[in-house]
Amino acid sequence: SQQGEEDPQALSIQEGENATMNCSYKTSINNLQWYRQNSGRGLVHLILIRSNEREKHSGRLRVTLDTSKKSSSLLITASRAADTASYFCATDAETGGATNKLIFGTGTLLAVQP
Amino acid sequence: DAGVIQSPRHEVTEMGQEVTLRCKPISGHDYLFWYRQTMMRGLELLIYFNNNVPIDDSGMPEDRFSAKMPNASFSTLKIQPSEPRDSAVYFCASSRDTTGELFFGEGSRLTVL
Repeated sequence: SQQGEEDPQALSIQEGENATMNCSYKTSINNLQWYRQNSGRGLVHLILIRSNEREKHSGRLRVTLDTSKKSSSLLITASRAADTASYFCATDAETGGATNKLIFGTGTLLAVQP
Repeated sequence: DAGVIQSPRHEVTEMGQEVTLRCKPISGHDYLFWYRQTMMRGLELLIYFNNNVPIDDSGMPEDRFSAKMPNASFSTLKIQPSEPRDSAVYFCASSRDTTGELFFGEGSRLTVL
């Protein structure tokens, strides 16, 4: 079962614009991560935000986390054509066992037009 | 470091045949994960290992699927017999812990005719 749901499913913007993607999840988490996947490639880790953090920055990326609403957003500023990819959020789902595991959301397909 | 290495990158086989996918994790990573990605179901966690021991295989679809990790540098995912609905991209990933950053391989695209 999927823990996270991304919104929108697809997003098309012009180069230079900002792109915002949202992720909602269902259960309590310890951290939330965002990954990027270029077409035909593996996923690449972008950023991790812990449950006690509200905002985190990494270069042109800004991630927010609202644990009360069980949601996160990923903002890519000044987008470039090379940012075209699918973006996934991943949360550590409590399994009731000794360790948790990462469950991925459905993804947002971002297309940046040059 | 070369990253997570998967083979084959592409596999086309006929229904009923045995398929073996291979993975070499990043040296020093104690956790290894197998995921499956399809358009319909997205990314699904099939199984993960800690120090070569299977910890959670609740995502393995059925008995036709099996995974092994005989040593810290090698894992296999086997499907026997394969069916057309097994067609997907299978990813291997490794990490230092279960909920930290995952390092993915490039995937093995399986097509079962």
